[in-house]
Amino acid sequence: LAKTTQPISMDSYEGQEVNITCSHNNIATNDYITWYQQFPSQGPRFIIQGYKTKVTNEVASLFIPADRKSSTLSLPRVSLSDTAVYYCLVGALYKYIFGTGTRLKVLA
Amino acid sequence: DAGVTQSPTHLIKTRGQHVTLRCSPISGHKSVSWYQQVLGQGPQFIFQYYEKEERGRGNFPDRFSARQFPNYSSELNVNALLLGDSALYLCASSLEGASTDTQYFGPGTRLTVL
Repeated sequence: LAKTTQPISMDSYEGQEVNITCSHNNIATNDYITWYQQFPSQGPRFIIQGYKTKVTNEVASLFIPADRKSSTLSLPRVSLSDTAVYYCLVGALYKYIFGTGTRLKVLA
Repeated sequence: DAGVTQSPTHLIKTRGQHVTLRCSPISGHKSVSWYQQVLGQGPQFIFQYYEKEERGRGNFPDRFSARQFPNYSSELNVNALLLGDSALYLCASSLEGASTDTQYFGPGTRLTVL
């Protein structure tokens, strides 16, 4: 099963674009890449999912290169409320592997 | 529509005891997954159920078991509790548990083992 590697923490300022990169060298052919956001003592919340190239929704973009060995979550114009842990996970066959997550701190 | 619900919210047990955690999926969702999240770490996959059948199991001892009922709700049972079982237990539901299905997580049950 593919494992993921993310930066442990990142700091940003309000209004900036934040890019969080995740490495998943052993991703399988049928694995999708999914990102979740988690606030303390709450369940993770789905942000975005993709298989290849670029996916965009109302809150984020996901960039996936052709080899799919990494992916980048892009959060445009972050606010203080975006301070959370962000998880990159890959999985298929119903098993998701959460990595260590990236603690994003947004500063005023 | 209501989201995923879990009960109880918090639970305190002592070593050696047994615990049952409950989860109700989003209406229309047929798949439920369970995760354990130890403080400071990411959630770890325990089980997935679809249509009452176990579809996947993570690297957890046999003290952990689960089942899914005809109404798609689920129970996670942990026997012979250890201190290390203290964690946030998360339930997630999805339509059919396929890799493209979004998993929606509940608020979790905080289990403390003394």
